[in-house]
Amino acid sequence: EDQVTQSPEALRLQEGESSSLNCSYTVSGLRGLFWYRQDPGKGPEFLFTLYSAGEEKEKERLKATLTKKESFLHITAPKPEDSATYLCAVQAENDYKLSFGAGTTVTVRA
Amino acid sequence: DVKVTQSSRYLVKRTGEKVFLECVQDMDHENMFWYRQDPGLGLRLIYFSYDVKMKEKGDIPEGYSVSREKKERFSLILESASTNQTSMYLCASSLIWGYTEAFFGQGTRLTVV
Repeated sequence: EDQVTQSPEALRLQEGESSSLNCSYTVSGLRGLFWYRQDPGKGPEFLFTLYSAGEEKEKERLKATLTKKESFLHITAPKPEDSATYLCAVQAENDYKLSFGAGTTVTVRA
Repeated sequence: DVKVTQSSRYLVKRTGEKVFLECVQDMDHENMFWYRQDPGLGLRLIYFSYDVKMKEKGDIPEGYSVSREKKERFSLILESASTNQTSMYLCASSLIWGYTEAFFGQGTRLTVV
């Protein structure tokens, strides 16, 4: 069974204080790893897809990286508007569904 | 822009009622999903549909059924609502099998009293 573990559960940052979120996964053949952002009371918003170890994707202050066992979401010089829950999900080869982690809730104080 | 629309943001229903949650996507996507989200448990897949009238059970299908009569619409049905079905329900769609991201609706917060 696919497993996705995200750490830490919660992260409080000062504006401008860079940090990283971790997503460890176990899957029998990775088709893709997905990062989503979720604001309170809303549905997840797609951020990135990573397909193979060594791949990196960037969007504004966010950068996602992938190894064979984990993915990191780096937040560089965060702003208060980066406050959200960040979700990681994996999709196995020959499977249709995404298996999600429980998420990391990031709070950025001004 | 990709759009997945769920019919209600908030619902309050009584125990034993039959509840319908509707989801519509305007992207001509093949796949549609229903998840529920609970604190500490993440998103869990209830049902999946890969084509009109086709469905597959997810991880937690008990107490739920689904209907997909048209490509753009996917309905989740709670046959007899119970308090343990109080949750956030999220609908999603994706273009084809694999290698494509899923897009989510805004969610329906269901409370069963």
